[in-house]
Amino acid sequence: DGGITQSPKYLFRKEGQNVTLSCEQNLNHDAMYWYRQDPGQGLRLIYYSQIVNDFQKGDIAEGYSVSREKKESFPLTVTSAQKNPTAFYLCASSTLAGGPSTYNEQFFGPGTRLTVL
Amino acid sequence: AQKVTQAQTEISVVEKEDVTLDCVYETRDTTYYLFWYKQPPSGELVFLIRRNSFDEQNEISGRYSWNFQKSTSSFNFTITASQVVDSAVYFCALSKEDSNYQLIWGAGTKLIIKP
Repeated sequence: DGGITQSPKYLFRKEGQNVTLSCEQNLNHDAMYWYRQDPGQGLRLIYYSQIVNDFQKGDIAEGYSVSREKKESFPLTVTSAQKNPTAFYLCASSTLAGGPSTYNEQFFGPGTRLTVL
Repeated sequence: AQKVTQAQTEISVVEKEDVTLDCVYETRDTTYYLFWYKQPPSGELVFLIRRNSFDEQNEISGRYSWNFQKSTSSFNFTITASQVVDSAVYFCALSKEDSNYQLIWGAGTKLIIKP
């Protein structure tokens, strides 16, 4: 089955630790995204990538880092510099936009819930 | 500034009632896209619909229908004969100006369908 997998489902972090959230897709999508969701709020974009070895900051990139070494994989590292990392993290992917002013729908993984102890 | 407003934080109805979720947006773009996503309790967002600004026809998919009105900058979502499985948080999103990958998300409407 084609889809997006995220692991782990739940993650606990001690203050001062870096943690890495996994995201893998087998949809052959070029674009991948990381979002953060806080209770009662919409999604906020952390990073996105349109192509291997390239990625761009979203609205709340501070305290996070990503890599895109393979098309299928887009791991997110939450560093100790992120002051309030407790949240629900969603990974998504999409096909590349067909041109200027076009948007393709994004497909989401099941999410990782990160809690700082 | 771009904005998506979902004024209804939470709606609760009894099963089989019709329910409409409101979405109002602001953008300076003349070409833009609007989306609806469903987030069930499991957490994964499910894509429901994409509509571009040139297509103002209403869309119906089974019990779901969408009413796009540029004159009022609204893209409302109606569920007819609601079912318990429709219980979820529903998000409306708008394409971001000067980007063809980023979206502006509303805060979501939590829909509770009571049996």
